[in-house]
Parts: sequence; C-alpha cells; structure tokens
Amino acid sequence: AQSVAQPEDQVNVAEGNPLTVKCTYSVSGNPYLFWYVQYPNRGLQFLLKYITGDNLVKGSYGFEAEFNKSQTSFHLKKPSALVSDSALYFCAVRDSGAGSYQLTFGKGTKLSVIP
Amino acid sequence: NAGVTQTPKFQVLKTGQSMTLQCAQDMNHEYMSWYRQDPGMGLRLIHYSVGAGITDQGEVPNGYNVSRSTTEDFPLRLLSAAPSQTSVYFCASKLDRGFHQPQHFGDGTRLSIL
Repeated sequence: AQSVAQPEDQVNVAEGNPLTVKCTYSVSGNPYLFWYVQYPNRGLQFLLKYITGDNLVKGSYGFEAEFNKSQTSFHLKKPSALVSDSALYFCAVRDSGAGSYQLTFGKGTKLSVIP
Repeated sequence: NAGVTQTPKFQVLKTGQSMTLQCAQDMNHEYMSWYRQDPGMGLRLIHYSVGAGITDQGEVPNGYNVSRSTTEDFPLRLLSAAPSQTSVYFCASKLDRGFHQPQHFGDGTRLSIL
C-alpha cells in the first residue's frame, strides 16, 4: 500500500530565510510525487511533481523539491520565504506498481512565515 | 476560464436530510474525484470517475453516491446526512487517468450536519 507522511504539523520560518517542508513516502513500485498548496478557504493548487529524471524539481512560486530515493523523501524547499507563502502544504504520492488511480495525501503542514 | 466549480459553498443540514453537492469542470477532463478534508487527516478520497458512465469507490465511500452522466458534471449525493459527514468537500479533475497528471481543485463546499 502507498502512504505518505508529513512529520511536522507546523513550520515557522522568518521572512527571507530558507524554508523546508518535509515529506516521506512508502510505495511498492516507483513513486509519483506531488506537492500542493492550500490558501485559506480555497482548494488545493498544484506546485510541482516528480515523475522521473532529475532529482531536483522546480515548480511554481519559486518552490523546488528534492527527491531522495534512498531516504524515500521528497522535501519541499524555497531559498527565501515570503509572508505570502504562509499556507497549508500537502505532499501526495501515487504508486506506479499499485494499479490504482488513487492519490494518497499527507495530513498537511501549516507553514507560517513571520515578518 | 472557470476550471472546477463547486456549489453550494456552504450548507447546513439536519441529521437524516439528503442533498447533492454539485461539481462541474469546463476543461474536458476525463478524470474527476471527490475528497473530504477533516482537520489533521488530510484529504481522503470518497469516489472517483475515469470517464462518463464510469465511477468507483475511494477510501471512504460509505454514505455517499455519485454518478457521471456527462464529462462535465460529477455530483456527490449524501443519502441520509450524519454528523460524522460534517466536513469540507473538494471536487477535483485531471486530464485523464494518467499517473503523472496534476489535479485541479474546486474551492470546496463547507458542510455542517446538525
């Protein structure tokens, strides 16, 4: 079965500092990994995805994520945080070997960027 | 470009009532799905559809029905509302069933069952 864990419920970072939101996953085949962001009272918005190839994936709004197969991780990063980055972030995974169309989401990490 | 549109945005029901949450997309996407979001639990898949006339159950299907008569619409029906169904419901769509396609989400329906 596929699963994903976001070990931190909340991450606080000062504006201008680098930020990292952590995600680890478990799959039986190859992982397809996604990050989504949710602003208050809105639906989720796609940020970036890893399918195959380069381990460093670049996405929207200056975010990037690093795929690490040995550590089964897909951490979201940004070099310099903005107050407007404050939101709820979700990691999601689909197992290429599962034969299922379902996407499994983590429980979310609330990012607060402090001015 | 409307994307995924959900109605209503808010609804309060009494236990035992039924209702339909509407979802429509204008992107000609084959794949559509319904999730519920509860605090500390992330998003859980209720039902999904890989095309018109085809639906299947997700992780938490009990108490919900769906149908997909057109490509554009994917309504979610609560048969007899229960307080445990108080949640925020999101509809999502993507181009097709391909594993790598990102999903497009509506802004949600906030449902309270008294």
